[in-house]
Amino acid sequence: DAGVTQSPTHLIKTRGQQVTLRCSPISGHKSVSWYQQVLGQGPQFIFQYYEKEERGRGNFPDRFSARQFPNYSSELNVNALLLGDSALYLCASSLARDRPYGYTFGSGTRLTVV
Amino acid sequence: AQTVTQSQPEMSVQEAETVTLSCTYDTSESDYYLFWYKQPPSRQMILVIRQEAYKQQNATENRFSVNFQKAAKSFSLKISDSQLGDAAMYFCAYRSNFGNEKLTFGTGTRLTIIP
Repeated sequence: DAGVTQSPTHLIKTRGQQVTLRCSPISGHKSVSWYQQVLGQGPQFIFQYYEKEERGRGNFPDRFSARQFPNYSSELNVNALLLGDSALYLCASSLARDRPYGYTFGSGTRLTVV
Repeated sequence: AQTVTQSQPEMSVQEAETVTLSCTYDTSESDYYLFWYKQPPSRQMILVIRQEAYKQQNATENRFSVNFQKAAKSFSLKISDSQLGDAAMYFCAYRSNFGNEKLTFGTGTRLTIIP
């Protein structure tokens, strides 16, 4: 079985630009969460989507948005990029919120803003 | 809001020896889950072990075990018979059983295995 796949793996953008990151969950997983991991820190929660609805949002500005498609894949969009948005963006999928066995993470997208 | 603290930025251990990584957390809730994740240089977060707060028995997974002290809000990870492949960043994480699936992570401990 394929794991959680994220694309692209690396990305370089200029300040002020917009970026879209993509995530495909494990087959059968309906919940997708996004995390931002700045170098040297633990991941910070950005969004959770379940059955195409936003179920949670972290402390991030409105420049960050996301959506989930009928096939449960997801996109994270960041507008008006700042240098501080440079980070590893991780996607995690799970079956459901009850009795969580754990969350399966992708290998992330490394975003560099110059 | 819940917080997770990992007070050991770096740890090292001789191959085949045992090492314990510390984690404390702060919450007012009684029903939650705790996790240890491993992040090697490949960047992918890999689940090592999980603990349900309502279970008093400490979780074990092969060479990995936890010491869960609910009253003290402590959740340490013990790695026995350390192997070179155990070298990685280790993150402790908390998840409430209420609301969304947000994981709150600590700042991580970098574990080095000395051959």
